[in-house]
Amino acid sequence: SQTIHQWPATLVQPVGSPLSLECTVEGTSNPNLYWYRQAAGRGLQLLFYSVGIGQISSEVPQNLSASRPQDRQFILSSKKLLLSDSGFYLCAWSVGPEAFFGQGTRLTVV
Amino acid sequence: EDKVVQSPLSLVVHEGDTVTLNCSYEVTNFRSLLWYKQEKKAPTFLFMLTSSGIEKKSGRLSSILDKKELFSILNITATQTGDSAIYLCAVEGPLGTGNQFYFGTGTSLTVIP
Repeated sequence: SQTIHQWPATLVQPVGSPLSLECTVEGTSNPNLYWYRQAAGRGLQLLFYSVGIGQISSEVPQNLSASRPQDRQFILSSKKLLLSDSGFYLCAWSVGPEAFFGQGTRLTVV
Repeated sequence: EDKVVQSPLSLVVHEGDTVTLNCSYEVTNFRSLLWYKQEKKAPTFLFMLTSSGIEKKSGRLSSILDKKELFSILNITATQTGDSAIYLCAVEGPLGTGNQFYFGTGTSLTVIP
């Protein structure tokens, strides 16, 4: 069966520090991969999506970046975090019409 | 610009009440509409709707889609405190060679004993 792992679950980082969130999927090949952010009181905002290794598309311009070094690995990064980067980040995958989510990372930038 | 709008934003009801959550959308090349329940962390899948007028049902939850009027409703009957959560509506549209999900802001449901 397919599973998705996302870590860490919570993270507190100072302003200006780097960020690396990782997501891996098991049990499926060539999934579409997504990074979403959910700010307090708001819906899920699509940040990046990838339809294959090395293929990254950005939906929202900001100081975050994403990479897909392997078929089932998706990484969200930042060189210098801003206070406004705080939020709940969700990784998701799909092969077909349904998206499956990781458990999320609660990021607090202080 | 594609968008998904949910209403109400929040709702507080008593156990046993019936609630109706709304989702309207404007998405180019609509493929499907999905409902998710988000309690504390990852959203969990509830329903996927692709055809108008066909009700999907799971226990006390049911949902229906109207592709002509571009909306869906999620009904919860005989609510329980365990139904308290954020309910997210998402519409699937094309995304390059893959598929993209446009999410609404969610409806926060609180069921009080």
